[in-house]
Amino acid sequence: DVVLTQSPATLSVTPGERISLSCRASESVDTYLHWYQQKPNESPRLLIKYASQSISGIPSRFSGSGSGTDFTLSINGVELEDLSIYYCQQGNSLPYTFGAGTKLELK
Amino acid sequence: EVQLVESGGGLVQPGRSLKLSCLASGFTFSNYGMNWIRQAPGKGLEWVASISSSSSYIYYADTVKGRFTISRDNAKNTLYLQMTSLRSEDTALYYCARHTDPYWGQGVMVTVSS
Repeated sequence: DVVLTQSPATLSVTPGERISLSCRASESVDTYLHWYQQKPNESPRLLIKYASQSISGIPSRFSGSGSGTDFTLSINGVELEDLSIYYCQQGNSLPYTFGAGTKLELK
Repeated sequence: EVQLVESGGGLVQPGRSLKLSCLASGFTFSNYGMNWIRQAPGKGLEWVASISSSSSYIYYADTVKGRFTISRDNAKNTLYLQMTSLRSEDTALYYCARHTDPYWGQGVMVTVSS
């Protein structure tokens, strides 16, 4: 199984700063890597698909990069509404695994 | 507008069965592989099962293999998950999700408890 390791587990942020979240795969997933945001008591919301493709309706401050085993989700100018948990998921090979998540909290 | 609406959840006793449904709209359902994904309370996300567009390929997580059955009816634009021999550890919010060009439903809660 492909193991996705997200780091850091928790990130303390200040509104307005630029941050990067990491997702590393134990083997190549090409660009079949998606990023989700989940707020309490809500279903996950797709932020970035296929490593770097933007999603309609998602603010432009969210961007993704990477391929193979190393991926990054960047938020350019964190806002208070971005405080939530972020998950990566690989859709390249079964089972379609998820990372354990990175929680953004207020510094 | 793409929509995936799950139904069929509820409270069920250990060892009993339950069948979830997911009604799709806003896209050509028969062209897409579909997944069930679950999230136990306070936990992360776990892929449960996948089915290809024509039902030719079906896969399960080891944790549900032999107990759960994924199926679909393309004429009805509906995905199913038949769950048998339910255990307390199956308690979770179950999401229906399109595989390619991902899209998720809002989820349906399944609680396994006596």
